[in-house]
Amino acid sequence: EIVMTQSPATLSVSPGERATLSCRASQSVSSNLAWYQQKPGQAPRLLIFGASTRATGIPARFSGSGSGTEFTLTISSLQADDFAVYYCQQYNNWPPTFGGGTKVEIK
Amino acid sequence: VQLLESGGGLVQPGGSLRLSCAASGFTFSNYAMSWVRQAPGKGLEWVSGISGAGGSTYHADSVKGRFTISRDNSKNTLYLQMNSLRGEDTAIYYCAKDYLWGYYTDDWGQGTLVTVSS
Repeated sequence: EIVMTQSPATLSVSPGERATLSCRASQSVSSNLAWYQQKPGQAPRLLIFGASTRATGIPARFSGSGSGTEFTLTISSLQADDFAVYYCQQYNNWPPTFGGGTKVEIK
Repeated sequence: VQLLESGGGLVQPGGSLRLSCAASGFTFSNYAMSWVRQAPGKGLEWVSGISGAGGSTYHADSVKGRFTISRDNSKNTLYLQMNSLRGEDTAIYYCAKDYLWGYYTDDWGQGTLVTVSS
């Protein structure tokens, strides 16, 4: 199965600053990459699919980029509501696999 | 879209449990569905998936031969039959609606906790 590796494990950012999260696949997944946000005690929420397309209702400050094996999620100006754990997931090959997550915390 | 899981609880190692997910707010039979789990304090793990008509299923290696995903489109309900449960199966189990068979999840239930312990 494809192994997804996220870095860093924890990112400390001040409100208003930019956050850049990375996700690497052990082999090419083309653009079949999704990003999810999960807050404590809540289910995950879809943010990005197709590596760069925002899901319905997701603010423009969230953007995704990359293809093949290297992907990035950027939050342009962190709001209080954005502090959470973010997961990438490849759906190019069975089974779909998730990265270990990046926790974005308040600096 | 609403996805409401039920059936979780405490079970002894080696025991069985059946999870259910009642779906509403969309045409259930048109969508592939999955189960995704999350062990306490850990990340997400995809467990099982099933196509809209139910003809295709896929299970992660970690549960293959022990778990079975199924659906009843007449009842708008997704199931996960879990047998030979182990401690490492302890997790919150999320019901998930997929965009297409083999694609990402676009809606999630709130989850049901399964605890495997003696």
